[in-house]
Amino acid sequence: EAGVAQSPRYKIIEKRQSVAFWCNPISGHATLYWYQQILGQGPKLLIQFQNNGVVDDSQLPKDRFSAERLKGVDSTLKIQPAKLEDSAMYLCASRGGWDRGRPYEQYFGPGTRLTVT
Amino acid sequence: AQKVTQAQTEISVVEKEDVTLDCVYETRDTTYYLFWYKQPPSGELVFLIRRNSFDEQNEISGRYSWNFQKSTSSFNFTITASQVVDSAVYFCALRGDSGGSNYKLTFGKGTLLTVNP
Repeated sequence: EAGVAQSPRYKIIEKRQSVAFWCNPISGHATLYWYQQILGQGPKLLIQFQNNGVVDDSQLPKDRFSAERLKGVDSTLKIQPAKLEDSAMYLCASRGGWDRGRPYEQYFGPGTRLTVT
Repeated sequence: AQKVTQAQTEISVVEKEDVTLDCVYETRDTTYYLFWYKQPPSGELVFLIRRNSFDEQNEISGRYSWNFQKSTSSFNFTITASQVVDSAVYFCALRGDSGGSNYKLTFGKGTLLTVNP
């Protein structure tokens, strides 16, 4: 079974530029997550989708970050304009269904390492 | 609110030494899950173990073992006879089991383990 795919793996941009990250979850997984991981910290949830609807985006900086999952499969996370503090690893994860009333695990992709100069 | 504390920022050991990584958590949920993930330099988060709050049995998997103590809200991870390939950042994470939390993961800040030859 193929894992969570992300691209690009690395991206270097200048501040005020725009950038987009792509994620393809494990086939059949309805729930998709985007995390931001700043160096030296644990991942922080930015947004959670259930199919193509947003479940939780309480920690997404909506003035510059946006995300979509139009057909309930692939997802794109965009930053416009980027700031220096956006330099981080961006991780995508997906989760399948339920087992006796409890959710299955999240599986993580390899991440996109963003450097803003 | 959920919180995970990994007090050890960095640990350095010599190969074949045993090493324990500490994790303390806080949650108001009566049922919850605890996880350990490994993050090698490549960046991908690798799932190691999941424990639920009503099962306090310790678990051993090869050189890895986990000690869950509900009374002290701790979920510690021990690597026996460490190897250079164990060098990575290790994250402890918590998932509440109430629908209100959207089953999202809360991560600690991670412990960087360096195993020297």
